Amino acid sequence: DVKVTQSSRYLVKRTGEKVFLECVQDMDHENMFWYRQDPGLGLRLIYFSYDVKMKEKGDIPEGYSVSREKKERFSLILESASTNQTSMYLCASRTKGWGPNYGYTFGSGTRLTVV
Amino acid sequence: AQSVTQLDSQVPVFEEAPVELRCNYSSSVSVYLFWYVQYPNQGLQLLLKYLSGSTLVKGINGFEAEFNKSQTSFHLRKPSVHISDTAEYFCAVSYGNKLVFGAGTILRVKS
Repeated sequence: DVKVTQSSRYLVKRTGEKVFLECVQDMDHENMFWYRQDPGLGLRLIYFSYDVKMKEKGDIPEGYSVSREKKERFSLILESASTNQTSMYLCASRTKGWGPNYGYTFGSGTRLTVV
Repeated sequence: AQSVTQLDSQVPVFEEAPVELRCNYSSSVSVYLFWYVQYPNQGLQLLLKYLSGSTLVKGINGFEAEFNKSQTSFHLRKPSVHISDTAEYFCAVSYGNKLVFGAGTILRVKS
């Protein structure tokens, strides 16, 4: 089974800190995604990457950046954390191609609290 | 714009009753459709998906969904719910490279 691992389950950071959320997948997938999940809003796409060093903005990229130096690792960066970035962050990886196995695998999430 | 609408934010239902969770999406030439479930304090688990073929899709835990292209809907159903089905359910639609989620429906099963 594909595994998507997020390095931290819970994180508490101070306002203004630079925060790194790490995500690693073990199935050689090209496509990786970062979402944030908030009550009543579902999951919203922050950024995605379709190859090493390639990235595209999702629906809510403001205040975030990403890094993909290696295929298996996709990092989300909060340049200067703010309290409105307190949320659950989910990383996902997607299968190659468009065949019957097409699908997404999600990590367990990182609950970030900015104080 | 690409959007997914889950018409009910909460659905209360008694145990052993049938349930339908509704999902509509903005039209596109070709989409893939998913339902995920999230139990309290857990990650997302895939319930079922529609990629092509039969419009009636069966998933895990007795759930099924029907793809209706003309109505741009993908409603989730279960004929008889159990207390353990209490969770939040998310409809998601793959528009090319982007997977867009609905806001979620909380299913509360009462005894």
